[in-house]
Amino acid sequence: AQSVTQLGSHVSVSEGALVLLRCNYSSSVPPYLFWYVQYPNQGLQLLLKYTSAATLVKGINGFEAEFKKSETSFHLTKPSAHMSDAAEYFCAVSDRLSLVPGSNYKLTFGKGTLLTVNP
Amino acid sequence: EPEVTQTPSHQVTQMGQEVILRCVPISNHLYFYWYRQILGQKVEFLVSFYNNEISEKSEIFDDQFSVERPDGSNFTLKIRSTKLEDSAMYFCASSEGAGPVRGYTFGSGTRLTVV
Repeated sequence: AQSVTQLGSHVSVSEGALVLLRCNYSSSVPPYLFWYVQYPNQGLQLLLKYTSAATLVKGINGFEAEFKKSETSFHLTKPSAHMSDAAEYFCAVSDRLSLVPGSNYKLTFGKGTLLTVNP
Repeated sequence: EPEVTQTPSHQVTQMGQEVILRCVPISNHLYFYWYRQILGQKVEFLVSFYNNEISEKSEIFDDQFSVERPDGSNFTLKIRSTKLEDSAMYFCASSEGAGPVRGYTFGSGTRLTVV
């Protein structure tokens, strides 16, 4: 079964600084990988996804992530943090629900990383 | 942009009571899911639903849980006899296709507190 580890439950950066949120995955098959963001009192919003096309994936709000198979990583970055980026960020890997061809997928999430941005 | 709508946003219930959490998925989506997140823990898969039946469920989804699509628009999660450990944020999600390529759309969640 797939698994995801997010290093650092809490990351604090200054406004304008680089954001780096780490995600490592474990998968026995080529994975599909996702980053979701959760703003306070809101649902999970898809930031970006890797689906075996380009290894550098660009998402919304200036975020991007790079799939590195050799490191089994999918770290999320943003060159310059903004106050509005303060939220919880979840890395997830998709996992086929059964061996039946065409069966649907579930997501296996990491524990999340809370990003705070200081003025 | 189409949304997945969940109601209520917060529900408090007494232990042993039945609760129904409601979701309205995106109208052209065919696959529906419930996930939950106990405070401080990971978001966990509960169940997936397709073609009016459960397609997969996790070990968490035991006999006290059930799902239903009663009227073609709503998708509900029922917990028959709530326990303290059922306190969590419950997320509904829907997807257009079976595969992960297009991703899921999640609702805002229902925070269930069992007292």
